[in-house]
Amino acid sequence: DIQMTQSPSSLSASVGDRVTITCRASQSISNYLNWYQQQPGKAPKLLIYAASGLQSGVPSRFSGSGSGTDFTLTISSLQPEDFATYYCQQTYSIPQTFGQGTKLEIK
Amino acid sequence: QAQLVESGGGLVKPGGSLRLSCAASGFTFSDYFLSWVRQAPGKGLEWLSYISSRGEIIYYADSVKGRFTISRDNANNLLYLQMNSLRADDTAVYYCAREAVEMATTCLDYWGQGTLVTVSS
Repeated sequence: DIQMTQSPSSLSASVGDRVTITCRASQSISNYLNWYQQQPGKAPKLLIYAASGLQSGVPSRFSGSGSGTDFTLTISSLQPEDFATYYCQQTYSIPQTFGQGTKLEIK
Repeated sequence: QAQLVESGGGLVKPGGSLRLSCAASGFTFSDYFLSWVRQAPGKGLEWLSYISSRGEIIYYADSVKGRFTISRDNANNLLYLQMNSLRADDTAVYYCAREAVEMATTCLDYWGQGTLVTVSS
């Protein structure tokens, strides 16, 4: 199975900050990497597909990059509604696997 | 707008069975692969299974293989997860999700609200 490791596991930041979350795969997954946001008590929401594609309706302050084993999710200017948990997911091979999550908290 | 609504969760004793359903609307159900993903209390997301658009391709995570069965009814826009031999560590919120193809890769673009399964004596 491909292991997905996110860093950091938690992060404190302020409104307006630029934030970067990293996801590393245990083997190359090309660009088969997605990012999701999950608010407490809610279902995950797709933000980024294929490493860098912005899902329809997602604000442009969210961006993704990377290929192979190393990927990043960047939020250019944090808004209050962005404080949530973020997960990466690989769909390169079965079983699909998720990172452990990064909890973004208000400083 | 695509919508997925899960049902069937509840409290079940260890060793028991439960069948989850996921009702879809707002899109052509028979065109899409569908997945089940779960989340144990306070934990991360775990992919469990997916089924192809016509049901001919099915995969499971090792954690549920042999105990859970995914199926679909394209005539009625329903996805199912039959769960047998349930254990305490199956306690989780279970989500159904639609698999979309984007830029030649796949992603889960629509999710249901989830249904809670609690396995306890």
